[in-house]
Amino acid sequence: QAGLTQPPSVSKGLRQTATLTCAGNSNNVGNQGAAWLQQHQGHPPKLLSYRNNNRPSGISERFSASRSGNTASLTITGLQPEDEADYYCSAWDSSLGAWVFGGGTKLTVL
Amino acid sequence: QVQLVQSGAEVKKPGASVKVSCKASGYTFTGYYVHWVRQAPGQGLEWMGWINPNSGGPHFAQKFQGRVTMTRDTSISTAYMELSSLRSDDTAVYYCAREGGDLLRDFDYWGQGTLVTVSS
Repeated sequence: QAGLTQPPSVSKGLRQTATLTCAGNSNNVGNQGAAWLQQHQGHPPKLLSYRNNNRPSGISERFSASRSGNTASLTITGLQPEDEADYYCSAWDSSLGAWVFGGGTKLTVL
Repeated sequence: QVQLVQSGAEVKKPGASVKVSCKASGYTFTGYYVHWVRQAPGQGLEWMGWINPNSGGPHFAQKFQGRVTMTRDTSISTAYMELSSLRSDDTAVYYCAREGGDLLRDFDYWGQGTLVTVSS
């Protein structure tokens, strides 16, 4: 099943701002948006943002999500070493009748 | 607090079946769908399907139709995922995740993962 498209890797410096993207279509991201998940090596994913761009309780304000058309974005400000992780987007695809994920972006904090 | 606790690692031979459990606590089990997502070594996340703990009704990704079963036992707040006819490419960490939230529900809590290794 077709998934969402994310860049494989992004590298940014400490305290800089990173913007990760997630491209879909009108049946998924363009319909109800995309959620964002963070996964550190050896750990389960952690929800950073709901599809309506709201953050779950306890998630830092440094993480903010947005959407323009069929592309969702996650912006991380003031990058910290602990932000180095894999980031995935997820969305419900109304045409497929399935949840789809992006391939993930590995964020490196230099 | 919401917790999803999964059963331990499994090693299976090709052609066998595996059943993974996911015990929920800290919330009303029947109020939220439970999804299963797997992650092959070094790979991304792959959605397998969900079960509605209230009705017991499942919904599977097309790829797993006919090979996966999802059930639940509401008396012990536990969801189960059984995958049959295992192949080597089924080797992965299997996660259960709750679909929760207010306006739009997403995967807000995850189990710790269960490594399933398929090897002869």
